[in-house]
Amino acid sequence: GDSVTQMEGPVTLSEEAFLTINCTYTATGYPSLFWYVQYPGEGLQLLLKATKADDKGSNKGFEATYRKETTSFHLEKGSVQVSDSAVYFCALTTLKAAGNKLTFGGGTRVLVKP
Amino acid sequence: DAGVIQSPRHEVTEMGQEVTLRCKPISGHDYLFWYRQTMMRGLELLIYFNNNVPIDDSGMPEDRFSAKMPNASFSTLKIQPSEPRDSAVYFCASSLISEGDTQYFGPGTRLTVL
Repeated sequence: GDSVTQMEGPVTLSEEAFLTINCTYTATGYPSLFWYVQYPGEGLQLLLKATKADDKGSNKGFEATYRKETTSFHLEKGSVQVSDSAVYFCALTTLKAAGNKLTFGGGTRVLVKP
Repeated sequence: DAGVIQSPRHEVTEMGQEVTLRCKPISGHDYLFWYRQTMMRGLELLIYFNNNVPIDDSGMPEDRFSAKMPNASFSTLKIQPSEPRDSAVYFCASSLISEGDTQYFGPGTRLTVL
């Protein structure tokens, strides 16, 4: 079945540091890939997505590139802010997954210190 | 649009009591999902609906859990009787198949069963 593996946290960084969160996947079909972010006390929000190989999703300074050859979708940001402190979830869906059913990774908690 | 609305935001109850969680999806969306989030198990899909019809309830943990969607604007998740291990944050999400793969999450209901 489909699965998503992402690095365990917490990841603690200083402001303006470079952030990378690794995500790899296994899928039976040709997946679309997502990063969702969950700020404290809130629901998940879509951060970015990519629907085909070599696509780059980007939003709020975050980027992730769909790498089919390595089945990866690593999230990066060049200079984090305290406001980026959140839990980040990598996820996928495939054409075989009826109704946009998402498979999530376990989440990575990121803490940015001033 | 107001987004996905969930109520209550917080619920504290005693073991054995019935709990009903409510969700109003984004108007016009045709898929609705219920998730549970705990520290131990992460984010789990419980059940999802398409056009008010349950499609996959394989994630519902046991018969104490039930979900309904009587119309396109409303869904409930009921736990009867509740147990302390049901304590979690429950999220509702909705999506529109014609808009692609993005799910929109509500703010969640934090359930505590004493």
